[in-house]
Amino acid sequence: GAGVSQSPSNKVTEKGKDVELRCDPISGHTALYWYRQSLGQGLEFLIYFQGNSAPDKSGLPSDRFSAERTGGSVSTLTIQRTQQEDSAVYLCASVGLGLGGYTFGSGTRLTVV
Amino acid sequence: AQTVTQSQPEMSVQEAETVTLSCTYDTSESNYYLFWYKQPPSRQMILVIRQEAYKQQNATENRFSVNFQKAAKSFSLKISDSQLGDTAMYFCASLIQGAQKLVFGQGTRLTINP
Repeated sequence: GAGVSQSPSNKVTEKGKDVELRCDPISGHTALYWYRQSLGQGLEFLIYFQGNSAPDKSGLPSDRFSAERTGGSVSTLTIQRTQQEDSAVYLCASVGLGLGGYTFGSGTRLTVV
Repeated sequence: AQTVTQSQPEMSVQEAETVTLSCTYDTSESNYYLFWYKQPPSRQMILVIRQEAYKQQNATENRFSVNFQKAAKSFSLKISDSQLGDTAMYFCASLIQGAQKLVFGQGTRLTINP
């Protein structure tokens, strides 16, 4: 597709359940980022994939969070045993060449009840 | 450490007025880049304007311009002739060359009133 696609657009889950958020980046973009945007806050870096290199997981807030990128394309962010504080918008961005080449998806709004 | 601060949580102006959004940043690096992103209700982050730190000339994109004060580590966004469609969250961000991560400020919610 022409842009970064994220699914689902909205997700409501019960506390303690696991959730998977999906990101389809722009074809050919080698870098992919996940950010979290909590209500009234800026974007918080979670994890970064670049080609075949080991991902930079330094932003993941706890071991309940994990992410993988399949075949250098689609990425899945998994949150296990969700907590209410996990409620946020999760944004994915893929990066092409050049500065400012970040293209963001429309995010997944996760609500943990 | 790299930090970005936006001190104005919300702003509101009338259509056609000029508005300036403030941003300060802190980095010890000499090679970095600064950005302003717009986030409308659709949630998608849209690049508005970018500035390379080594360039003294302020970047301009149509009605959008920046006032880059390197010594003061200030990077404000000016929107001229504001339009209703400019209503959105605006985020300032920095990227250190080689660091690979955008660091964002807390955002400013801008409302353009008819």
